[in-house]
Amino acid sequence: EADIYQTPRYLVIGTGKKITLECSQTMGHDKMYWYQQDPGMELHLIHYSYGVNSTEKGDLSSESTVSRIRTEHFPLTLESARPSHTSQYLCASRPGSGELFFGEGSRLTVL
Amino acid sequence: SQQGEEDPQALSIQEGENATMNCSYKTSINNLQWYRQNSGRGLVHLILIRSNEREKHSGRLRVTLDTSKKSSSLLITASRAADTASYFCATEGGPYNFNKFYFGSGTKLNVKP
Repeated sequence: EADIYQTPRYLVIGTGKKITLECSQTMGHDKMYWYQQDPGMELHLIHYSYGVNSTEKGDLSSESTVSRIRTEHFPLTLESARPSHTSQYLCASRPGSGELFFGEGSRLTVL
Repeated sequence: SQQGEEDPQALSIQEGENATMNCSYKTSINNLQWYRQNSGRGLVHLILIRSNEREKHSGRLRVTLDTSKKSSSLLITASRAADTASYFCATEGGPYNFNKFYFGSGTKLNVKP
């Protein structure tokens, strides 16, 4: 059972609002990732981090930003949400090598 | 995209039958992994196969890897209704993309009771 948590699970907000999607893991993993997934589609890497104070943009351009001030915490922020940001956001972590451990996802709808 | 296609996009079978899904990729890899995703949920890791391995088994799962063809297959034997989910392959990239995972578009498996 993976100990990685995402909140909120579901969020419906209006255009222009600032939102933060939270991701926390209790496994002490250095590597953490954010993926964006539209329903029934592939996952796209939007941000990743190899440790505290390390963040990189993924291959899919995203207007979101991330921070990694603590090992266990990797929040994603949208300063001004738009309908095009409507999607599912999946957070994952990884120990030194091996598989990714995923959270349950945050489904964002921007009206 | 670093990832190729998964084939088929959708598969519907009867309980007890075997299900085979295929994955192709484009670049050199360190390893290839298969994940399962129930509708609206996160992904769960199933099995990892390294680039120097050709076949791996885990319970009812059998994975093959052909690096010369840049392809992999996942076989689920004696399927159950509870196997209904989407299945994704993910590749961990070569020297310039280590620790980055690229996912395919998935195969949606429906196992009818």
